[in-house]
Amino acid sequence: QVQLQESGPGLVKPSETLSLTCTVSGGSFNNFYWTWIRLPPGKGLEWIGYIHSNGNINYNPSLESRVTISIDTPKNQFSLRLRSVTAADTAVYYCVRDAIAVDGTAFNMWGQGTMVTVAS
Amino acid sequence: QSMLTQPPSASGTPGQRVTVSCSGSISNIGNNYVYWYQHLPGAAPKLLIYRNDQRPSGVPDRFSGSKSGTSASLAISGLRSEDEADYYCASWDDSFRGHVFGTGTKVPVL
Repeated sequence: QVQLQESGPGLVKPSETLSLTCTVSGGSFNNFYWTWIRLPPGKGLEWIGYIHSNGNINYNPSLESRVTISIDTPKNQFSLRLRSVTAADTAVYYCVRDAIAVDGTAFNMWGQGTMVTVAS
Repeated sequence: QSMLTQPPSASGTPGQRVTVSCSGSISNIGNNYVYWYQHLPGAAPKLLIYRNDQRPSGVPDRFSGSKSGTSASLAISGLRSEDEADYYCASWDDSFRGHVFGTGTKVPVL
């Protein structure tokens, strides 16, 4: 059974960089879009972006100037960096497997989520 | 990037049928599949419907999806207390080649 696990600091200071890593275990890393999604308190889900196992990348236009998603295939990990954070970036961050190109099921596996608070 | 539009809330009593609407545009729902996710308190969101009306294995047939033009709907028949959750629609958007979510609908079971 595929499992995804987020790791990283739960508290980030304003103007600094949020960094999270997702470790994927129990399944293939290839042919999927590896995705970050967040859920701010009291708001809805927001797609941040994806990186495909072949290196193809795309970001939410509203975050594109501050976000970088990278991949480490030998380690079965992918990472998120979000620069110049503000309180508006406080959210639960999920790493997610997007299988839309494999079997059409899109976001079919999710990590448990990690709460990141931006505060001084 | 705009979000898909959902009603904030859609309540029902046990056994009732509840529908949740999702409105988009030609660049997302109009030209692409719709997906539905269930978010139970304290858990990660779960895929409920994919490709407009398909259920992953393990999802009860009480949940059904449909799409027409630039809108979609999720129906929950025989509402149960464990269905109390937030529900999100989602679709691919051709304008920025990424995913867009709906605003979310809270479904309380009264």
